[in-house]
Amino acid sequence: QKEVEQNSGPLSVPEGAIASLNCTYSDRGSQSFFWYRQYSGKSPELIMSIYSNGDKEDGRFTAQLNKASQYVSLLIRDSQPSDSATYLCAVSDNQGGKLIFGQGTELSVKP
Amino acid sequence: EPEVTQTPSHQVTQMGQEVILRCVPISNHLYFYWYRQILGQKVEFLVSFYNNEISEKSEIFDDQFSVERPDGSNFTLKIRSTKLEDSAMYFCASSGRLVGETQYFGPGTRLLVL
Repeated sequence: QKEVEQNSGPLSVPEGAIASLNCTYSDRGSQSFFWYRQYSGKSPELIMSIYSNGDKEDGRFTAQLNKASQYVSLLIRDSQPSDSATYLCAVSDNQGGKLIFGQGTELSVKP
Repeated sequence: EPEVTQTPSHQVTQMGQEVILRCVPISNHLYFYWYRQILGQKVEFLVSFYNNEISEKSEIFDDQFSVERPDGSNFTLKIRSTKLEDSAMYFCASSGRLVGETQYFGPGTRLLVL
């Protein structure tokens, strides 16, 4: 059974701080890794994709991938109250393309 | 910006009734997916569709479920005889020309089976 694990939180950070979200996955054949943001009652919205080991930065967001440790993380710098949402880690093995999602980490950014 | 659309946004049905959930994927995308999310639970894969056929389906996607791309733009999920446990948010997603590319999600259909 392929699994993606995340701490469910809630993770609470003050406005302006760095939020660090972590994810581990069980399938070593995984090739594509995604972070989605989901507001309550809404659909997943893509934040970042990452395909190779190392860091990938996009504005205030940095995704980090370590395939040897089967670990993906997302850093959010200068967190804003509007970043408060559930962050979903998703992994694909690129065979059929299906995404396997983690439970999500609820982030709360306090003004 | 192109986006995935879904109709209806909400559907209430009686147990045992058939429902059809509709999706219009992004126009030049080739891979199509259905996921569901039961309230408070994780997003779960149901089925993937490529080149006019199912490429993969999960254990959830039993004989009560079917998918179709009837006219080259719409992508539908049919549940033949709904059960109480089918109550969930159903998301359609599409991705581009290569497997493993980013999947873009529609806004979802909230299905309530009474």
